[in-house]
Amino acid sequence: QSVLTQPPSASGTPGHRVTISCSGTSSNIESNVVNWYQQLPGTAPKLIIWGNNRRPSGVPDRFSGSKSGTSASLAISGLQSEDEADYYCVVWDDSLPAWVFGGGTKLTVL
Amino acid sequence: QITLKESGPTLVKPTQTLTLTCTFSGFSLTTNTMGVGWIRQPPGKALEWLAVIYWDDDKRYSPSLMNRLTITKDTSKNQVVLRMTNMGPLDTATYFCAHTGLYDSTFDHWGQGTLVTVSS
Repeated sequence: QSVLTQPPSASGTPGHRVTISCSGTSSNIESNVVNWYQQLPGTAPKLIIWGNNRRPSGVPDRFSGSKSGTSASLAISGLQSEDEADYYCVVWDDSLPAWVFGGGTKLTVL
Repeated sequence: QITLKESGPTLVKPTQTLTLTCTFSGFSLTTNTMGVGWIRQPPGKALEWLAVIYWDDDKRYSPSLMNRLTITKDTSKNQVVLRMTNMGPLDTATYFCAHTGLYDSTFDHWGQGTLVTVSS
C-alpha cells in the first residue's frame, strides 16, 4: 500500500486532455514539492515535472503539474499515442522521513 | 551529459548479501548539492526508494529497509555502492540508480536499471 494514492489507470483519446491525481497527507504533499515521472514500457523513469509545476528542458509544455493542499495533479493535453506509459508522483515525507512514490497510473491512449 | 549505469549480480540466493555498483559520468560527487540514490521496482509493481548519498557524505535510508542497507561512495572512481543484506524473494526487482541535484533534490537522471532475482 503506497503512501501516495494514484488511480491505477486512466485513459483518453488522441488530442484530448487527461489528468492524473496523487493524494497524500500534510506530512508529504502539503509540506513539500511534488515531482512526476513517466515510465515507458521496459525503460527507466523519466522526470517530466519537478517542483510541483516545472518542466525539465526538453519536456513538452503539453505536460503540466499542479498542487493544492494534500493533493497534486498531472495534466497531459493534446494526448498522443507516445504518451501511453506509467506515471508516478513522488514527494519527500517529513514524518517517515523518506521519499515516497505513488502506486503509479497506467495511461492508455485509446 | 549525465549518465549512470548499474552493475552487479543478476541472481542471488536467499540470505545472501547483494552488492550493486552505480558508475556515473557527467558530474562529480564532490560538487555541492550532487547526490546519487537507489530505487527499485519489483516486476509489474511500483517504484520504491531505497537510499541516497550526497556530496557531503550525508546518507538517508528507507526506514523500512535501513537495517539491511548500506550506501557508500568512491569519488575517485565515480561510483556509488549499495549493499543489501539478507536478501529474500520479495527483493526480486529491477534496481535503478539515479542522480539528484539538478532540479532541487529530485532524481533527474536515471540508469537503465538491473534486474536482480532472488532464488535458490
